[in-house]
Amino acid sequence: AQSVAQPEDQVNVAEGNPLTVKCTYSVSGNPYLFWYVQYPNRGLQFLLKYITGDNLVKGSYGFEAEFNKSQTSFHLKKPSALVSDSALYFCAVRDAGTSGTYKYIFGTGTRLKVLA
Amino acid sequence: EAQVTQNPRYLITVTGKKLTVTCSQNMNHEYMSWYRQDPGLGLRQIYYSMNVEATDKGDVPEGYKVSRKEKRNFPLILESPSPNQTSLYFCASSLSLQGNYGYTFGSGTRLTVV
Repeated sequence: AQSVAQPEDQVNVAEGNPLTVKCTYSVSGNPYLFWYVQYPNRGLQFLLKYITGDNLVKGSYGFEAEFNKSQTSFHLKKPSALVSDSALYFCAVRDAGTSGTYKYIFGTGTRLKVLA
Repeated sequence: EAQVTQNPRYLITVTGKKLTVTCSQNMNHEYMSWYRQDPGLGLRQIYYSMNVEATDKGDVPEGYKVSRKEKRNFPLILESPSPNQTSLYFCASSLSLQGNYGYTFGSGTRLTVV
């Protein structure tokens, strides 16, 4: 069965420092992987996705994510955090269809707090 | 502007009083879905629709109904709301679930059932 794990409920980082938000997944076939961000009182916004190709994916607002097939991970990263990056981040996986199902599974979310 | 519009944004209701949360998208997306967001549980899918007149249950469908009579609209119906349906609800759409498309989300509806 598909699953997504975000092991940290909250990540605190000082402004200007690099940040990492962790995500691991389990799917039966090749994964489609996504990161979304949710700012207070807003819906989720798409940040980036991995479908195939280069393991390092670049997205919006300076974020990037690294796909690691052997570790089944898709960690979100940013070289230098901003206070405005403080938000709730969701990792999601979608089976690429080899099992005959098309379904998104979301992680439980990680709250990122960037401290000035 | 391409968007998913949900209404209302906030709703307080009493147990048993039927309500509908509307969702509309202007992107000609085939796939639409409803999620509820609860602390510590992330997003859980309630219902989804692959296209007009094609709906199916998600992971937590009990107590909810949906319909998809037109491509753009996907209302969520609570026939007899109960306090355990107090939650933050999101409608989302995608061009197609069979491609590599992400979701566009609405701004959410915060529902309180007393």
